[in-house]
Amino acid sequence: SQQGEEDPQALSIQEGENATMNCSYKTSINNLQWYRQNSGRGLVHLILIRSNEREKHSGRLRVTLDTSKKSSSLLITASRAADTASYFCATDPLQGAQKLVFGQGTRLTINP
Amino acid sequence: DAGVTQSPTHLIKTRGQQVTLRCSPKSGHDTVSWYQQALGQGPQFIFQYYEEEERQRGNFPDRFSGHQFPNYSSELNVNALLLGDSALYLCASSGGLGLTSIPPYEQYFGPGTRLTVT
Repeated sequence: SQQGEEDPQALSIQEGENATMNCSYKTSINNLQWYRQNSGRGLVHLILIRSNEREKHSGRLRVTLDTSKKSSSLLITASRAADTASYFCATDPLQGAQKLVFGQGTRLTINP
Repeated sequence: DAGVTQSPTHLIKTRGQQVTLRCSPKSGHDTVSWYQQALGQGPQFIFQYYEEEERQRGNFPDRFSGHQFPNYSSELNVNALLLGDSALYLCASSGGLGLTSIPPYEQYFGPGTRLTVT
């Protein structure tokens, strides 16, 4: 079964706008990771945030983590058509286990 | 430096048949994990191999088995295929279960094998 849920399931915005996706999970975690997937192909790792971190940035990406609420958010600023993809959060519940538990994903569409 | 590679890209099988999928990890990685992704869903963990042994397993029946070779490449075998086995099968590699590695470990995913069971 899935660890958590992403919200919304689908998001459609205009190019240049910001996109925010949320992820909730159920159990304690070691870290949380965000991945992008284009057209049902392989997953591309975007960013990893450890359980003792609250916010992390990478280029146009900003990730927050609230372990008390068991939730995370991914913000993509100044969206581009190339950002159109499905985005998944994945939790790593056990130290070093590398057994990722994925949510169901958010389908993001950037309209030109 | 080649990333994670998987073969074949696509595969069509009939119910009841057996299938073998292959994965070569990223250079320097010693751990291989397999995931199943049904259409419209997130990937689900099948199992993980390190030092040629299955280290962890998800909630999948014994019809799903695997193997890791001395060069760290891996195979996923599925016996007695069911229609519900139709999915994208993803392989991910990472370094890390060895004592010299420091968590957390980023997993690198291959492009996947699309399996269709008819």
